[in-house]
Parts: sequence; structure tokens; C-alpha cells
Amino acid sequence: DSGVTQTPKHLITATGQRVTLRCSPRSGDLSVYWYQQSLDQGLQFLIQYYNGEERAKGNILERFSAQQFPDLHSELNLSSLELGDSALYFCASSVWVSDTQYFGPGTRLTVL
Amino acid sequence: DQQVKQNSPSLSVQEGRISILNCDYTNSMFDYFLWYKKYPAEGPTFLISISSIKDKNEDGRFTVFLNKSAKHLSLHIVPSQPGDSAVYFCAASETAPRNKLVFGAGTILRVKS
Repeated sequence: DSGVTQTPKHLITATGQRVTLRCSPRSGDLSVYWYQQSLDQGLQFLIQYYNGEERAKGNILERFSAQQFPDLHSELNLSSLELGDSALYFCASSVWVSDTQYFGPGTRLTVL
Repeated sequence: DQQVKQNSPSLSVQEGRISILNCDYTNSMFDYFLWYKKYPAEGPTFLISISSIKDKNEDGRFTVFLNKSAKHLSLHIVPSQPGDSAVYFCAASETAPRNKLVFGAGTILRVKS
């Protein structure tokens, strides 16, 4: 158990809908990262927040957004969902900006 | 464009023998490399890392070797145990801040008892 929690574990929704994925980092970690893993692919970096502020951005679609709240938990919002958005979404956390990242168990999103 | 490549989708090894997982990269700016292990229904777990100033790093049964000129790294597991059966991801990042990890597609390791 890495200490990073993600909810929900599974999410099934329809195209065009909007969903919110939640992540609670390990106690004491200030950085939160979001990754997407599509079928047979490696994890793709989406975005990083550090102490409430956006720190780095990857190939995150404009339909996706994230934020980190004062209690350091983070939410990833996915809107206008398409079939291709079906994937595993992982959250990771680290103490500072570029320490070892510890991953949560992931949220499996299925878009029908 | 895959900057980190794990060309072997799977590997099968007998218990007690050595497992060697390989990873190639194309981005010359990468200077920090990590290996993660992933079991089904769990998130990736950090195993071992190496910085580009070294060519070898060891942690118990796990050793990572880095060949910068060949842009190649490998993870050696000796001896392999059935509990090592998992998906292994190679990841890399550029010079600090080392926050954007670029992952390979993973290699499934099966250790047979």
C-alpha cells in the first residue's frame, strides 16, 4: 500500500458525459501527478500540481482539467468524454517537486 | 514517438535464475531512469533508479545497468522468485525538475516455479 488513495476504483459512463476522479496523496506529500494508461500503452504524464499550483503539463487534452485543493487532495475532471478516453488513470504523489513518485491503485474509466 | 521503448512484451524465467529486462531510450536529455513493478489491480511500485552519472545501481536482488552511449538500460533480478511475476515499467526523466516521467509500454515477467 503506497498510501495514495484514489476514488472511485471503477467508473462506467457514456460518451459526452463529464466525470471527476479524486486522489489523496500520501501524508506529507505536496506534489500530485496524474497519468493515463490506455490499453497496451505505458503511462502518459498528464499534469502535476505542487502545493496547490500547477507545476508541469504533459499531453493533457483541453477537455481535461485538474486542481489541487488546500488539503492537498486533487481532482481530475474529464468532460465531453469520448470512447478513446477509456483508460486507467493513476495518481502519484511525492514530497517535493521531483522526488520519487508513489502511485495510487488507479481508477478504471470505461466510456460506452 | 516512443521515447522509451521496452521491446520485449513478455519474458518467462525459471525460479532461481536471472531475469533481465531491457529498455532503450531515444531522448539524449534523459538523465534519470527508474524501474517500476506493477501487479494487477494495483498502481506501479517504485523499484530502483539510476542517475546518468552512474552506470550501475544495486539494491538487494535488483541491479540496474545504464549504458549511456547505447541509450540502453537493463534491470537484473537475481535470483528470480515467483513473487516477482508482474509487469515491469522502465521510466525516464530529463534534468531537474525530474517531474515528467516518460514510461515504456512495460514487460510482463513470469517466473515459473
